[in-house]
Order: sequence, then C-alpha cells, then structure tokens
Amino acid sequence: ELKVEQNPLFLSMQEGKNYTIYCNYSTTSDRLYWYRQDPGKSLESLFVLLSNGAVKQEGRLMASLDTKARLSTLHITAAVHDLSATYFCAVDKNIFGTGTRLKVLA
Amino acid sequence: GAVVSQHPSWVICKSGTSVKIECRSLDFQATTMFWYRQFPKQSLMLMATSNEGSKATYEQGVEKDKFLINHASLTLSTLTVTSAHPEDSSFYICSAGRRRGGASNQPQHFGDGTRLSIL
Repeated sequence: ELKVEQNPLFLSMQEGKNYTIYCNYSTTSDRLYWYRQDPGKSLESLFVLLSNGAVKQEGRLMASLDTKARLSTLHITAAVHDLSATYFCAVDKNIFGTGTRLKVLA
Repeated sequence: GAVVSQHPSWVICKSGTSVKIECRSLDFQATTMFWYRQFPKQSLMLMATSNEGSKATYEQGVEKDKFLINHASLTLSTLTVTSAHPEDSSFYICSAGRRRGGASNQPQHFGDGTRLSIL
C-alpha cells in the first residue's frame, strides 16, 4: 500500500522566514505533485516533478524530488502572509499526503 | 525590537519525526546560547549550553543524542529534537547574551519560544 506522509502537519511562522516541508512516500514513483489549498477552495497545482533530481521554483516556493530517498521537499523562502494555506503533496496523481497547514504571521 | 529571533514559533508533528529549531542573535555575536524547555505552568528548565565552534554542554538528565545542538556561527544555534515523541511536546526557548570581552555577567536576551506539539 502506497503511503504518503508530510512533515510537519502544521506550521506557524513569521513573515520573512524560511522553512521546508517534507513529503515521504513508501513505494517507487516517478511523478510527484504539490498543491495548495485555501480554506473552502479547491486545490491549486503548484509543481509537477517528473524525475530524480528535479527542481522547480515559482516565486518563493521551490520543490525538489529525490526518487531514491522517496522524498520531496517544498522550500519556502522569505514567507509572506499570502502563502498561508494548506499544502499537499501527491504521488501518482491521486495518492495525497497528510497535508501541511501553513500559517504565516504578518 | 527583538534581539534574539527564534524560529519557528509553533510546530505540530507526528511521532518519530525530527524537528529543528533555530535561534539567532540579530545584532550581536553570541559565543554562548542557552536552550530551555518549559512545561505548562512550570518554570524554564535549562537543557544545554550551546558553545560556538565546540560541543554543547548538556544538563544532567538531558539526552544529547535526543536533543542535538549545533552552534555553527556566532549568531546561530540550532536545536534538533530527534525522533520526537509526545513526551517531547513542550515550549522550547533559547537565549543569548551579548559578548563583551568574554564577560559572563551580561543580561540574557530570550527568543519568543517554539511550541512543539508531537502527536
């Protein structure tokens, strides 16, 4: 059974700080997705990582994938309040992680 | 403004994961920083003294392999709670003193603390 776990589950941080969210999965996979969800809204696609060593960046968010370690990271740089949301990773498109609720304090 | 910055302010994690807490002195150099933990309605308990460029000094009863301290520069000390379990849930606070010729009687400046909750 494929399991996808995120760490931490909840994160409260000040604006301007950096932090990394981790996504571990239990079996081999060649596709990993990161999504953002605002309260009461649907998921918004952030990144699709397709190969080992893939790194993608959009604004203050950067995602990476290590298929050998079965680990993906979502790094937040200089957080701003607008990044407050819940972030999900997903493997094979429909197996979602536990989610990380991020709260950025102004 | 704050002279010691602690980050993050609150973390909730599953049991078994590791959590890193940072403590930065913002406008001064600190060869020594201190890490405390505080349980609800209790006083601060010193866990360890973090020394820049050398190993930390741990208080009796504090597992050094559990609470890893790294003081890699004069403005940054990190505390990593490894393989955290619910009993590690606590409020962790760092402090640093301004460095003036090595004097030990300078006041400590405290970070805002990190609330760690392990499920």
